[in-house]
Amino acid sequence: NAGVTQTPKFQVLKTGQSMTLQCAQDMNHEYMSWYRQDPGMGLRLIHYSVGAGITDQGEVPNGYNVSRSTTEDFPLRLLSAAPSQTSVYFCASNRASRGRVGFHEQYFGPGTRLTVT
Amino acid sequence: SQELEQSPQSLIVQEGKNLTINCTSSKTLYGLYWYKQKYGEGLIFLMMLQKGGEEKSHEKITAKLDEKKQQSSLHITASQPSHAGIYLCGAGPSNTGKLIFGQGTTLQVKP
Repeated sequence: NAGVTQTPKFQVLKTGQSMTLQCAQDMNHEYMSWYRQDPGMGLRLIHYSVGAGITDQGEVPNGYNVSRSTTEDFPLRLLSAAPSQTSVYFCASNRASRGRVGFHEQYFGPGTRLTVT
Repeated sequence: SQELEQSPQSLIVQEGKNLTINCTSSKTLYGLYWYKQKYGEGLIFLMMLQKGGEEKSHEKITAKLDEKKQQSSLHITASQPSHAGIYLCGAGPSNTGKLIFGQGTTLQVKP
């Protein structure tokens, strides 16, 4: 298994440009999430999905779109890049939990380092 | 909404010393995760705790969840340079894939 893969690893954008960060997992996990990591702020949830065709907003969704047409893929789209979106982006996936017990570990991709100038 | 506070924010220790990192929640934790991140890399899962009073160990790292399930600690015994990195605690507020994370603790181990 490749686990969670992300492309590209590095990207530089100019303000106003759009792009898509790719994320794929081969573990047949129901849940997938996108986080951004900024210095001193830990990871903040952007969007998440509990299954194909179902997405929802996280803590910091503005400026980002997602869709989940298949179980494997969960792309993150930046509509009009801004310098405030300079960050490291992580995609994660995990199995669905049933009830309060049975939380499953989230598997993380290697990250995409994005710079917006 | 639930918040996680980690302390300290950064830590520099001499190789061989013990250390503890704390993670405190504003609400009862239903699942507490510890991850480690090496600089410029992704997150590596360390341990997950669910029950009050639960304690787990892996090699020289021990994590505990208090009885009230609002605080967790990560203890490293006889630290080594390989332990250096950023340690993050994460918690699941409900039965979803949404984790919230603390701000992270940066650990440096001096040889």
